[in-house]
Amino acid sequence: NAGVTQTPKFRVLKTGQSMTLLCAQDMNHEYMYWYRQDPGMGLRLIHYSVGEGTTAKGEVPDGYNVSRLKKQNFLLGLESAAPSQTSVYFCASRPLTGGSTDTQYFGPGTRLTVL
Amino acid sequence: KNQVEQSPQSLIILEGKNCTLQCNYTVSPFSNLRWYKQDTGRGPVSLTIMTFSENTKSNGRYTATLDADTKQSSLHITASQLSDSASYICVVSAGNAGNMLTFGGGTRLMVKP
Repeated sequence: NAGVTQTPKFRVLKTGQSMTLLCAQDMNHEYMYWYRQDPGMGLRLIHYSVGEGTTAKGEVPDGYNVSRLKKQNFLLGLESAAPSQTSVYFCASRPLTGGSTDTQYFGPGTRLTVL
Repeated sequence: KNQVEQSPQSLIILEGKNCTLQCNYTVSPFSNLRWYKQDTGRGPVSLTIMTFSENTKSNGRYTATLDADTKQSSLHITASQLSDSASYICVVSAGNAGNMLTFGGGTRLMVKP
């Protein structure tokens, strides 16, 4: 059981370039989330998905797009990267068991630098 | 706006000593409060979770407390070990259907030998 995996682990982009971050989970979880973590700040939700084929905006969605074509994968895209998107990106997933106490399981993170 | 504030921002203690980390929140409606441990370069890992009716929860040497009236929580670490060096993040759920979480900025703990 690999849990939540993210690729790539590190990436450097130039302003204006595009890229896609991949999150995969093998726990059959319904919910998946993308967060960004900036120094001194708490994790902030970018987008999330409550099931295959559905996505929704979080707290800081601007400049990002997502897709959930398969239940186990959640993709985060940057169409035109900006230096303000330099951050560490975390993916998380949780099961749908009806309780708000369900724990979110986090991936190891992707460190993105935009020059 | 929902907010979670943690103190101190950073803390250095000697191995074997105890420490307490603080968390204040303004999240409504409150559903539950979690403490996560985040090792450097890794994703957060859940330590404890407490609902409105619980005022203490232990996980080994970690003990979390919750005062829902004053909207405060603490995480007490007993007999610290070098492996406790990490960031500790307080996370509060507003209890909506999507389980949206509000994260604190974390306390960075360093345990020195």
